Parts: sequence; structure tokens; C-alpha cells
Amino acid sequence: GNSVTQMEGPVTLSEEAFLTINCTYTATGYPSLFWYVQYPGEGLQLLLKATKADDKGSNKGFEATYRKETTSFHLEKGSVQVSDSAVYFCALSPMEGGAQKLVFGQGTRLTINP
Amino acid sequence: GAVVSQHPSWVICKSGTSVKIECRSLDFQATTMFWYRQFPKQSLMLMATSNEGSKATYEQGVEKDKFLINHASLTLSTLTVTSAHPEDSSFYICSAGGRGGSWTQYFGPGTRLLVL
Repeated sequence: GNSVTQMEGPVTLSEEAFLTINCTYTATGYPSLFWYVQYPGEGLQLLLKATKADDKGSNKGFEATYRKETTSFHLEKGSVQVSDSAVYFCALSPMEGGAQKLVFGQGTRLTINP
Repeated sequence: GAVVSQHPSWVICKSGTSVKIECRSLDFQATTMFWYRQFPKQSLMLMATSNEGSKATYEQGVEKDKFLINHASLTLSTLTVTSAHPEDSSFYICSAGGRGGSWTQYFGPGTRLLVL
């Protein structure tokens, strides 16, 4: 079946630190991969995505590369800010075409201290 | 990006009553809408998928008669929690996907339900 596993949180870093949140997946076929972010009191927002192997998604200084050989999609940012404090969800969509349902990881709560 | 709204944003009701939650896509036509449930500090669990004009497809373990979903138009889907009980208290989130093979789902801000 399809599943997503994220590194457990919470993660606490100082401002300007380097961030990595690990995400691995299990899927049949060739899924698309996503990172969503949920800021306090808000709904989920798409942060970045990658639709095929070796694609790199990027947005707001965050990056993640679709690694088929290691079935991973780790989220990275070189220098985090206090405003990056949120819950981050890795997700996959198992099929091509249309708005297919998403399978989410358990979420990783990130807190950035000034 | 596309905007999805939910109404109400929070609701408190008595046990045994029914509660309706609306999900609207404000600036695009959503052929498919999804309803999720999120428990505190946990991930989103998909409850059902609804396609405009057809019956919803429920995930295993979700009671169809308890969580009624209607997707009557390309911009509106509703979730009705019937005969709500305290264990139904949760954060309910909808998302919408549009026409044309879009990969992206756009999420509403969520509705917090508290059943007393």
C-alpha cells in the first residue's frame, strides 16, 4: 500500500540554523510528492511538490528532491527564520491525472527560536 | 493560488444534534473535493472523496450514515455530522481539486467541532 513516514518531532532550532526534515515513502507506481505547511491556526498550504524522479521542488527557501532510489523526499532549508515555525506534512499522491487523494505523513512540528 | 473557504470556522453543539459544514472553492471549479479529519497533534486522515454530481467514496472505517457528504455543484461540498457525539469532536478539513489534471489540492482553513 501507500504510506509516508516523517521524522518525529518536535524539532526546535535556532534562527539561521540548517533544517532537514526527513520523509520516506512507500508507493506502487510513480507517485507525486508534496510538502504542506500548517501555520498556527491556519489550514494547510502547499509548500512545494515534485512529480517525477530527480525533480527538485523549491519555494520560500525550502527545497526537496524526489529520490526514487531511496524513496525519499527530505525537506531542507539553509537558514530558518522564526516565521518558519509551523507543522510540516510530507504527502504523496499515488496516481497521475486529476486531483487524486493524498496520503500524509504524521507531521513534524518545527519551532524556531530567535 | 486558489482559495477554498469553510464555514463555520468553529461550532459547538449538543450531543445528538446534527452539524453541517460547508466547503467552497471561491475562484475555480472543483470537480473533486476531499474531507479530512485531524486529531490534535496528528496527521490528516482522509474520510471521503466526493465528485460533483455523484455519491461520495468513503474510506474504510468511516460511517457513511453518520458523515453525510453532498457535492451538488462545482463550488460547494457539504459535510453533515449526524447525531453528533463527543467522540466526533475534531478538526474537519476540506480540500478541493480542479479540472484539467491538476496535481494540487487546495485546502480550506478547517472547522473545529466540539460536541458537548
